[in-house]
Amino acid sequence: GIQVEQSPPDLILQEGANSTLRCNFSDSVNNLQWFHQNPWGQLINLFYIPSGTKQNGRLSATTVATERYSLLYISSSQTTDSGVYFCAVSGGTSYGKLTFGQGTILTVHP
Amino acid sequence: DAGVIQSPRHEVTEMGQEVTLRCKPISGHDYLFWYRQTMMRGLELLIYFNNNVPIDDSGMPEDRFSAKMPNASFSTLKIQPSEPRDSAVYFCASAFGPLGAALFLKREKLFFGSGTQLSVL
Repeated sequence: GIQVEQSPPDLILQEGANSTLRCNFSDSVNNLQWFHQNPWGQLINLFYIPSGTKQNGRLSATTVATERYSLLYISSSQTTDSGVYFCAVSGGTSYGKLTFGQGTILTVHP
Repeated sequence: DAGVIQSPRHEVTEMGQEVTLRCKPISGHDYLFWYRQTMMRGLELLIYFNNNVPIDDSGMPEDRFSAKMPNASFSTLKIQPSEPRDSAVYFCASAFGPLGAALFLKREKLFFGSGTQLSVL
């Protein structure tokens, strides 16, 4: 199956800083989504982005499918951005079988 | 919509007992997924349904696990008998449309419930 690698594993920021999270995947994908798991464990879908660029407020994401990576940008970070960010992908005929990366743990200090 | 609803939020049981986790997907969603999250293995897909039919259960760890979806608004994940290594957070998620299918124009995000924290003593 597809392998998903996220980097960095941990990231510590001061409030107001910008950050870039990366997701590398081992094969072509037909589905790529970014999730945020908050400190209470809730998983929130941020983007569905198998290719191209999307923006939602302070967050944006870019997927370069031909080079097998996706980036999540967080600008002007806030303490509420803390948590774990997951990239999940599926490829081939496995449309529904999202494989999750191990996540990036983000801590934003006030 | 209230989102994906899971119950119970927390379950503590003793080894050997039967455990049933419940999920109500978002109305209109025709895909339902059961995931398990542990520190060691991260988020793993156990099984998913399309239009109430199980499509892929290759992630179900062993025969002690079973899942059903008797109708479009309800699914259960059952563990019988439970073991301490089953302790984890179990998530249910739902989505609209065949994710990524080329013939469909509308592809929706996956929405997760709040999870069930299961502890088997």
